[in-house]
Amino acid sequence: NAGVTQTPKFQVLKTGQSMTLQCAQDMNHEYMSWYRQDPGMGLRLIHYSVGAGITDQGEVPNGYNVSRSTTEDFPLRLLSAAPSQTSVYFCASRTNYGYTFGSGTRLTVV
Amino acid sequence: DQQVKQNSPSLSVQEGRISILNCDYTNSMFDYFLWYKKYPAEGPTFLISISSIKDKNEDGRFTVFLNKSAKHLSLHIVPSQPGDSAVYFCAATDTGTASKLTFGTGTRLQVTL
Repeated sequence: NAGVTQTPKFQVLKTGQSMTLQCAQDMNHEYMSWYRQDPGMGLRLIHYSVGAGITDQGEVPNGYNVSRSTTEDFPLRLLSAAPSQTSVYFCASRTNYGYTFGSGTRLTVV
Repeated sequence: DQQVKQNSPSLSVQEGRISILNCDYTNSMFDYFLWYKKYPAEGPTFLISISSIKDKNEDGRFTVFLNKSAKHLSLHIVPSQPGDSAVYFCAATDTGTASKLTFGTGTRLQVTL
């Protein structure tokens, strides 16, 4: 039981490049979310999903796309990276009491 | 508009003493509250939670108190240990909205020897 697995752990992108942050969970959880953490701002919700085929926007969705084709996977796509997307990204899946988070992806856009 | 506020960015406490971390919220629809602990280069880990139907929840050294009228919750750690040094995030949710979490900005706790 690996919990929530995020890849890669680190990534450097050039402005305008695209990439996908991977997230997988093996707990058969329906609810999954993506958050970003920036200094002094806590964690902010980007997108979330309540089950396969169902996604919705969170607080800061601009510049990001998501899809949920399976219960296990919830990838986050950056369409055209911008320096403002430099952040630490966390994927989470919901348990009975709260959310279990992955270890994060540190993304730098130069 | 910051719906969940942690007004103390940092707190230093001696080992063995009580640590009290505070959190205020503005959204009256929030009905479930959580505390997460985060070490550097790791994801947040769940610590303790409380439903709005309760005013106190305990788990070992950790107790969360909720004052709904004041829209305030606090986390008490007794006794504090050096391993408790981390950033603590308060989070809140309206369980009718797919349980999206709204986080505070965090409080860095340092437990000194």
